[in-house]
Amino acid sequence: EVQLEQSGGGLVQPGGSLRLSCVVSGLTFSTNWMTWVRQAPGKGLEWVGNINPRGSERNYIDSVKGRFTISRDNAKNSLYLEMNSLRVEDMAVYYCARDRRPFDIWGQGTMVIVSS
Amino acid sequence: DIVMTQTPLSLSVAPGQPASISCKSTQSLLDRDGRTYLYWYVQKPGQSPQLLINEVSSRVSGVPERFSGSGSGTDFTLKISRLEADDVGIYYCMQSIEHPKTFGPGTQVEIK
Repeated sequence: EVQLEQSGGGLVQPGGSLRLSCVVSGLTFSTNWMTWVRQAPGKGLEWVGNINPRGSERNYIDSVKGRFTISRDNAKNSLYLEMNSLRVEDMAVYYCARDRRPFDIWGQGTMVIVSS
Repeated sequence: DIVMTQTPLSLSVAPGQPASISCKSTQSLLDRDGRTYLYWYVQKPGQSPQLLINEVSSRVSGVPERFSGSGSGTDFTLKISRLEADDVGIYYCMQSIEHPKTFGPGTQVEIK
């Protein structure tokens, strides 16, 4: 069974940092693009960024460029989202997903609350 | 960036009746490789989104035949031939022809 197990969410003050993790099992992680999508409370889905299988190519939405970094450790079947300089508007449920152009397998989501 | 719009934003349909959602993009989603990178997702209450339709019209394994996708270029449609209670949720279209990948605002489907 394919599973994307997420962790790392929580409460952080504006300007703070947080690191999200996504551990993948049941598929060959090292050959897959991976993506992060977020959903602010009561809002729709917003793609955040993605990373290629080797970790050598990353794409981001403009609003997170320079603040968020997507990385991966293929030896650990793990995907990460390092979030710095967090803003209130970054508050959302963050999902990791396998990116085959569509996002065909999703994690359960993890909540990030940005509040003082 | 490609902007995706959906109409209607909410839909209330009696069980067994059809439902239709329109999705439009500001640029053609037909790529030079001949493929059209338009997808449909559903997010059921309390769940992660799940992929329903690949490349305009290809149902994902396990998706009932009552779901169908159509369209081309910039105009697309998701149809549910006979709505069931389990179909309640928010339906999103998404383009993946270029970065940033963008979603439509979502269409809330409920049972009347």
